[in-house]
Amino acid sequence: GAGVSQSPRYKVAKRGQDVALRCDPISGHVSLFWYQQALGQGPEFLTYFQNEAQLDKSGLPSDRFFAERPEGSVSTLKIQRTQQEDSAVYLCASSLERLAGEDTQYFGPGTRLTVL
Amino acid sequence: GQQVMQIPQYQHVQEGEDFTTYCNSSTTLSNIQWYKQRPGGHPVFLIQLVKSGEVKKQKRLTFQFGEAKKNSSLHITATQTTDVGTYFCAGNHNQGGKLIFGQGTELSVKP
Repeated sequence: GAGVSQSPRYKVAKRGQDVALRCDPISGHVSLFWYQQALGQGPEFLTYFQNEAQLDKSGLPSDRFFAERPEGSVSTLKIQRTQQEDSAVYLCASSLERLAGEDTQYFGPGTRLTVL
Repeated sequence: GQQVMQIPQYQHVQEGEDFTTYCNSSTTLSNIQWYKQRPGGHPVFLIQLVKSGEVKKQKRLTFQFGEAKKNSSLHITATQTTDVGTYFCAGNHNQGGKLIFGQGTELSVKP
């Protein structure tokens, strides 16, 4: 079956531009996560959805970052007025069960964002 | 805040040698997960440990969870070139699905 997919795979933006990153989780997965991975670092948690409800957004670095999952499946991470420090790989993961902390998270290939 | 520290940052071994990476949390974990990320790839789930003192094995890989549920280790016996990649531990502090990742240990294997 299909895994988690993300688009675009690569995005180059000029500083100040807005970007939108898409995540298609595995069909039927309840929970969806966004992580940010800087070069040479581990993924850092951004936000988490259970179906359409955003249960935790404590990791979003600023109010320029916004995530949504309006129908409980596809999710979009939007970054407004991009800055150079936003350059990173943005990873999406999904898991099947409500108790997401006790279930496997399947990661997508990521979107590599470069802000010039 | 909650942190997960992982050492070493890099490990270079000769093929056939053993490898170990260690993970330590500042607070007690509800569970810990291990992931492998190949160069240019994304994290791939390896295993989850939940119980205090738990030990799990996958072929040449042995995973341990400490008695206090604050530390963990991954040991690879007789490394092979296919083991190359970065190994991450990720702790869950019983806050929904939020995982706190360690910095990762990058393993290189010389044939």
